[in-house]
Amino acid sequence: KAGVTQTPRYLIKTRGQQVTLSCSPISGHRSVSWYQQTPGQGLQFLFEYFSETQRNKGNFPGRFSGRQFSNSRSEMNVSTLELGDSALYLCASSLHRENTGELFFGEGSRLTVL
Amino acid sequence: EDQVTQSPEALRLQEGESSSLNCSYTVSGLRGLFWYRQDPGKGPEFLFTLYSAGEEKEKERLKATLTKKESFLHITAPKPEDSATYLCAVLPVSGSARQLTFGSGTQLTVLP
Repeated sequence: KAGVTQTPRYLIKTRGQQVTLSCSPISGHRSVSWYQQTPGQGLQFLFEYFSETQRNKGNFPGRFSGRQFSNSRSEMNVSTLELGDSALYLCASSLHRENTGELFFGEGSRLTVL
Repeated sequence: EDQVTQSPEALRLQEGESSSLNCSYTVSGLRGLFWYRQDPGKGPEFLFTLYSAGEEKEKERLKATLTKKESFLHITAPKPEDSATYLCAVLPVSGSARQLTFGSGTQLTVLP
């Protein structure tokens, strides 16, 4: 069974640019969530999607957005990049069941903003 | 605000030297506490879920326990392949089941 696939794995952008990251969940998983991981703040929840709808959003500015497609694949977008957006962006998929924090993470997209 | 504090930040053990990692938490109603393992360059990998005080889970050389204020991850006779960062996360009663609050992790190094 294929795991969560994230593309691209590495990318370098400059301040003010925008970036789009892609995530393909495990087959059969309909819930996709995104996390940002930095050395200073650790793992922080960005947002969650289920059935093409954003179900929950973390405490991030509106420059961070996402969407989910009918095949459960998801994308996240960061506009007007800032140096502080440099991070590992992790996508996680899960079966949409309550009372479980069992997330299956991809290997992440490492974004460097210069 | 939910908070998770892990200690120590880093731990170096000799192969076979057992130890414990600590995860202290404050949460407005605990739905579950989770342990993940993260290898360099990889995403976190799920290990355990604990739901109530007194609960224990085991997997190979790892055993996770839970009290009302903290969780421990006991590592018995570790091997070099157990080297990784171990992350603890909590899920409050309110909110999405996917919105975990993570600690900063304990970086474990097991020397041969």
